[in-house]
Amino acid sequence: AQSVAQPEDQVNVAEGNPLTVKCTYSVSGNPYLFWYVQYPNRGLQFLLKYITGDNLVKGSYGFEAEFNKSQTSFHLKKPSALVSDSALYFCAVIPGDQAGTALIFGKGTTLSVSS
Amino acid sequence: DAGVIQSPRHEVTEMGQEVTLRCKPISGHDYLFWYRQTMMRGLELLIYFNNNVPIDDSGMPEDRFSAKMPNASFSTLKIQPSEPRDSAVYFCASSLGQARFGEKLFFGSGTQLSVL
Repeated sequence: AQSVAQPEDQVNVAEGNPLTVKCTYSVSGNPYLFWYVQYPNRGLQFLLKYITGDNLVKGSYGFEAEFNKSQTSFHLKKPSALVSDSALYFCAVIPGDQAGTALIFGKGTTLSVSS
Repeated sequence: DAGVIQSPRHEVTEMGQEVTLRCKPISGHDYLFWYRQTMMRGLELLIYFNNNVPIDDSGMPEDRFSAKMPNASFSTLKIQPSEPRDSAVYFCASSLGQARFGEKLFFGSGTQLSVL
């Protein structure tokens, strides 16, 4: 079955420290990968995407993610965390060999940045 | 543009009642998605439309759920009869083209459904 795993329910970091939110996937074909963020009582917002090309992609608010095909991972990173980064983060994928366009989402990781 | 608009924001109903959730996508977007979010199962795709036509409804839990898109600016998700296990946040999202080509999904603020 096609799936996305976010192995950590919660990640805690101190402001100013680097952060990593992990994502691994299991899909057929070459994947299309995405990160979305959800703030309390809001819908999800797009952060960044990997479609093809450079394995390191940069997105909104200083976030970046690296596509690693051999490890089937797409971890989200930021060099210096802000308290305002605290939110729920979702990794999502579209299997490369499917004609459909609907994203398959992971369960989400809550990021908590302390001051 | 006002973004994706969902109504109501909150819905509390009793088991057995009919519930209708509404969504207005961003003007010009040709894809519309309905997702359900729960603590246990995360974010699940229920159904999506392309140019008002349902493309994949394999995520619809059972026959109690139905979705329509009568025109490009309106969609409904109906649950009849509702059950307590339907309690969740229901999100509508729209996009201009396919995500596999890099198009973003724009989400509404969701409808918090509580079935007592």
